[in-house]
Amino acid sequence: EDQVTQSPEALRLQEGESSSLNCSYTVSGLRGLFWYRQDPGKGPEFLFTLYSAGEEKEKERLKATLTKKESFLHITAPKPEDSATYLCAVQARDSNYQLIWGAGTKLIIKP
Amino acid sequence: NAGVTQTPKFRILKIGQSMTLQCTQDMNHNYMYWYRQDPGMGLKLIYYSVGAGITDKGEVPNGYNVSRSTTEDFPLRLELAAPSQTSVYFCASSYGGQGANEQYFGPGTRLTVT
Repeated sequence: EDQVTQSPEALRLQEGESSSLNCSYTVSGLRGLFWYRQDPGKGPEFLFTLYSAGEEKEKERLKATLTKKESFLHITAPKPEDSATYLCAVQARDSNYQLIWGAGTKLIIKP
Repeated sequence: NAGVTQTPKFRILKIGQSMTLQCTQDMNHNYMYWYRQDPGMGLKLIYYSVGAGITDKGEVPNGYNVSRSTTEDFPLRLELAAPSQTSVYFCASSYGGQGANEQYFGPGTRLTVT
């Protein structure tokens, strides 16, 4: 069965303290893995798409990496405005539309 | 370019009432989706559409209906509202096609059924 597991459920960091969020997935052939950011009371905002193992993408203080079993979202020197819930989703190779979603990691950055 | 818009932002329904959640996208996307999001849970797909006139059920379709008469609009109908339908509802759209299709989301509708 295709599934996505994110860990930890919540992460509290001090401003400037770098860390990583994990997204483990099981899927019968990967078409793409997506990272989203969701602020309270808002819809998910698209961040990255990763397609194959070894791929990396960066945006400001965020870097997403991908292996055959998991993806990491690395946050370097975070600021309070990086506080949000980060969602991971995968699309299987045999699906044109369906995304399998993780439950998210709630990130809190304290000043 | 407004992206995906949803109305209303908030709504309180009594048990047994009905309502329609509106969704419009201006990105000329073929695919559209309705999700619900409950606290601590991942997004659950209710219905999706691959083009005007074509809709299909997702994981949790019971108690809901959809239609897609145009590329832009994808309303979600709740009939006979129940407390279990208290949730936050998101509409999303994507281009479709052979590649990996990132989805773009609206701001959501927070629905309470009492």
